[in-house]
Parts: sequence; structure tokens; C-alpha cells
Amino acid sequence: RKEVEQDPGPFNVPEGATVAFNCTYSNSASQSFFWYRQDCRKEPKLLMSVYSSGNEDGRFTAQLNRASQYISLLIRDSKLSDSATYLCVVNMSGNKLVFGAGTILRVKS
Amino acid sequence: GAGVSQSPSNKVTEKGKDVELRCDPISGHTALYWYRQSLGQGLEFLIYFQGNSAPDKSGLPSDRFSAERTGGSVSTLTIQRTQQEDSAVYLCASSPQIGRTDTQYFGPGTRLTVL
Repeated sequence: RKEVEQDPGPFNVPEGATVAFNCTYSNSASQSFFWYRQDCRKEPKLLMSVYSSGNEDGRFTAQLNRASQYISLLIRDSKLSDSATYLCVVNMSGNKLVFGAGTILRVKS
Repeated sequence: GAGVSQSPSNKVTEKGKDVELRCDPISGHTALYWYRQSLGQGLEFLIYFQGNSAPDKSGLPSDRFSAERTGGSVSTLTIQRTQQEDSAVYLCASSPQIGRTDTQYFGPGTRLTVL
């Protein structure tokens, strides 16, 4: 089983749609969780951290379910510019991040 | 301010040659990471440097891979006797302080192609 698993997609959605991605992780002792965004042929960039209580940043909402060991990202009112690969990232131990393979989102007009 | 820079941006080499990839982290960042990303795959952790501590080399795939960080700043990743399966984008990231893994800033990467 992979340490961090994501549905690779692609998710093809129209502008304005709401879309959600899930990610599961294997290590129950993991402490920190993040979503990164990676545009085609670009480096990953931090989108948001994921806190136990859930957190929201504009149109983006991240949630953590420790009992089921999954993380989710909800994007409301999708924009064309949201098209990218979304990487689920988990800090398994120390300062080592484990990246999922990513979920591709394509927002179409 | 300046971000993480990497050089070269692209490197094409022949199988069996050695290559050196360079990373200049953000000034003042104490933590430095190397990852590689193969086509359509997630990022694979390679090695981590934190200050003067011994590096975490647990992600290096073979003894052909090595890395050093001189003076707590610039890092070089060396791949000896390159193989075709080494072809990937090699990404470097830096972080301002230990324990703040959410603040990793990535460089643009070096795209390595081994023919």
C-alpha cells in the first residue's frame, strides 16, 4: 500500500462547479498535512495546510479525518485558473514529506 | 526576494556519465531537500539537510547518488554512472526552520534526460 494515495483523475468540471478530492495516508502517527498545487512543468507550491478542525481559504476548504486517515480538499466556484495537479502531502516523521502522485483537475469553460 | 534557484534547468547526458545538479536555497533557510519526480509520478524524497546535522539520506535510491551542502548554503546532487531510469525532474526545496515543513519553497527543477 502506498503511504499517500490519491485518485489520479482527471476531474473534468465546468467553470463554477464544486469539486472535491480525497487522499488517504497509511501512517496513523502522521502529524502534519498539506495540499500543494503543481502546474504543468512547474514546481509544486503550497496551497494550504490542513488542520484537525478543518480550515478554509477563500474558495478552498481542507478537512482532516484522523480516524479514517483521510484528507479532503473542496474547491467551490471553480475557475479556469484552478486547472492544475493537486498534491496531497503528509509529514510522516521528522521533516520528511511524503507526496501523493497528485489529482489532475481540468476546469473547462 | 530571490527564490530557490537550480542549475542547469535541463541536462541531457549519455548513459554511464556522471552529472552534477546545483541548488541555491533561499538565503537564511537552514533546511534543504532534494526530490525527484518522474513523468506522471509524485515527488520522491531523496535527501534532507538541516543546519550542521548529519543529512537524512534515507531516500537515495542507490550508492550512485550522493549530495553535499557546503557552508550551509549551496547544495549539489551528484549522480554517477547515470542510467536511463535516472531520467526525471530533480527538485530542490528549502525551508526556513526545522519543524516548519509547510513552508518548503521549491526551485524550478532540473530536467535530466539520460540517453
